[in-house]
Amino acid sequence: DTAVSQTPKYLVTQMGNDKSIKCEQNLGHDTMYWYKQDSKKFLKIMFSYNNKELIINETVPNRFSPKSPDKAHLNLHINSLELGDSAVYFCASSRTRSGANVLTFGAGSRLTVL
Amino acid sequence: AQKITQTQPGMFVQEKEAVTLDCTYDTSDQSYGLFWYKQPSSGEMIFLIYQGSYDEQNATEGRYSLNFQKARKSANLVISASQLGDSAMYFCAMREPGLSGYSTLTFGKGTMLLVSP
Repeated sequence: DTAVSQTPKYLVTQMGNDKSIKCEQNLGHDTMYWYKQDSKKFLKIMFSYNNKELIINETVPNRFSPKSPDKAHLNLHINSLELGDSAVYFCASSRTRSGANVLTFGAGSRLTVL
Repeated sequence: AQKITQTQPGMFVQEKEAVTLDCTYDTSDQSYGLFWYKQPSSGEMIFLIYQGSYDEQNATEGRYSLNFQKARKSANLVISASQLGDSAMYFCAMREPGLSGYSTLTFGKGTMLLVSP
């Protein structure tokens, strides 16, 4: 039973399209995250939600909009896709937002923008 | 300035030998956490080991140990008795209190470890 599941695993689309990636965790965690891993494998935080409330919003274009309908779900919607959005997007969750809590990651969603 | 520095882009080790992956960090906080994650070629991120800034003992988890030197701000990962399955990208990460009291995980650029037979 997957702890943090993301769908889809692969997404290939044209520039200018809008797409969504869904994330669900069944760990009962309070905090969820979206990370972006670029082609050089660098991982960078995009957003963090705690109990459906946005708590971290790094410098991310407005075209990226996270939505958390409940604390087990954090979806990522991307408008007007650009070539530079091609990356692997990881969803993660942790029990709380405090320092000692380990992040459990999903398997990643590889987005390719043509 | 980089918060987490991993100076070794790649490392090679022979099976059954020990290997140390370097990580230095930069923070002015007294309370922080250090993590290591493994990313095999299949792409998933696997948590390996955690060290809290106030922990006096070095963390150990099976074949993984963390060589924590607080004064030098280093948190090196030691893998003993390397196995072929250890070949992967390894990321060091730090969690520190944010400005608003909320913390997130900041990652280093990673070290690719290749284990040869």
